[in-house]
Amino acid sequence: DAMVIQNPRYQVTQFGKPVTLSCSQTLNHNVMYWYQQKSSQAPKLLFHYYDKDFNNEADTPDNFQSRRPNTSFCFLDIRSPGLGDAAMYLCATSRRGAYEQYFGPGTRLTVT
Amino acid sequence: KNEVEQSPQNLTAQEGEFITINCSYSVGISALHWLQQHPGGGIVSLFMLSSGKKKHGRLIATINIQEKHSSLHITASHPRDSAVYICAVRNNNAGNMLTFGGGTRLMVKP
Repeated sequence: DAMVIQNPRYQVTQFGKPVTLSCSQTLNHNVMYWYQQKSSQAPKLLFHYYDKDFNNEADTPDNFQSRRPNTSFCFLDIRSPGLGDAAMYLCATSRRGAYEQYFGPGTRLTVT
Repeated sequence: KNEVEQSPQNLTAQEGEFITINCSYSVGISALHWLQQHPGGGIVSLFMLSSGKKKHGRLIATINIQEKHSSLHITASHPRDSAVYICAVRNNNAGNMLTFGGGTRLMVKP
């Protein structure tokens, strides 16, 4: 089945140790999104890609970077994770325009 | 004031009850989404609406564009419906990005 896949589902990293989360999709959607969701809060958009065009939200910390090497894959890099970065990270995809977003299962990041 | 408001924030129901969750928004939108998130889980899209009403199984979603209001109804609720239900709008003022409501935490007791 076409879907949005996130790996790993659970990630533990140490304070300050770089970590990469991955997302892949088989939907051939040209828009990919990364959201951060902290406990009991709504998802917060970090950035999104229209094809290869990268769009950073104004309040996304510089500590967060993203790469999209091709249509199918997108990566979230956290250069120096702090305790406050512990959260669920959700990847989503959509076709360009006012179309439905398809979410992955999320990666829960713990920072020790 | 948040651009997307949901009510109630928390809802407990008995199995079999009819449930309504409300969403009001204050921005121009191109579409409204109802999403479901189980504890510790990812998000599943239930509906995307731009007008009228949609039905899928026991779930019904309606939207009134003039009143800037949408409702999600669950008929014959079941414990497996227990989840957080999130209203999100495609915000014309935000490049069509999603603006999320705060979610409604539903618990259905057997």
